[in-house]
Amino acid sequence: DQQVKQNSPSLSVQEGRISILNCDYTNSMFDYFLWYKKYPAEGPTFLISISSIKDKNEDGRFTVFLNKSAKHLSLHIVPSQPGDSAVYFCAAITGRRALTFGSGTRLQVQP
Amino acid sequence: DVKVTQSSRYLVKRTGEKVFLECVQDMDHENMFWYRQDPGLGLRLIYFSYDVKMKEKGDIPEGYSVSREKKERFSLILESASTNQTSMYLCASSNRVGQGGYNEQFFGPGTRLTVL
Repeated sequence: DQQVKQNSPSLSVQEGRISILNCDYTNSMFDYFLWYKKYPAEGPTFLISISSIKDKNEDGRFTVFLNKSAKHLSLHIVPSQPGDSAVYFCAAITGRRALTFGSGTRLQVQP
Repeated sequence: DVKVTQSSRYLVKRTGEKVFLECVQDMDHENMFWYRQDPGLGLRLIYFSYDVKMKEKGDIPEGYSVSREKKERFSLILESASTNQTSMYLCASSNRVGQGGYNEQFFGPGTRLTVL
């Protein structure tokens, strides 16, 4: 039973446009949500997070939105750049200290 | 910078062999984790440890065991490797979670294990 779901396995956007990656979750006890980015042959690296008491967090070109009533979060990348091409994982955490990851979305930014 | 290293990038083993995957972190982190990554399934937690000699099962512990004798080192053991354990194995570490905080996990580069 996947508690964190990323229903789009891939996404392709043009350079300079907005990329929107989506994530749904089922466990209302999650208190933080995180996005990780992974390049081939490297481990995932932390990108941005949001507390469950917030609805938006912004860091440069990256913004994460949280809709608790819909149990949905999204990552917006504006403007998208070719270097953003990677697999993006949504993750969530409770007090257990271990992350629960989604299945990932492969983003391709076309020059 | 936090550094998490894993003993091998690529490993090929035969069915039934005992396999050791080693992970070392250099930031004095309390928590360490082992995940496996499979296409379409994302990262799934195998085991984690929040202190020396302490361990907790993750979501898919069957067929695996772990050892944490020193704070900086966390080993994943496949007692008798099987073909369905062919996967990318990722180790991570993090600080102890503060009050109301979260633990950013720092990952190693991964070990791609093939079991023939």
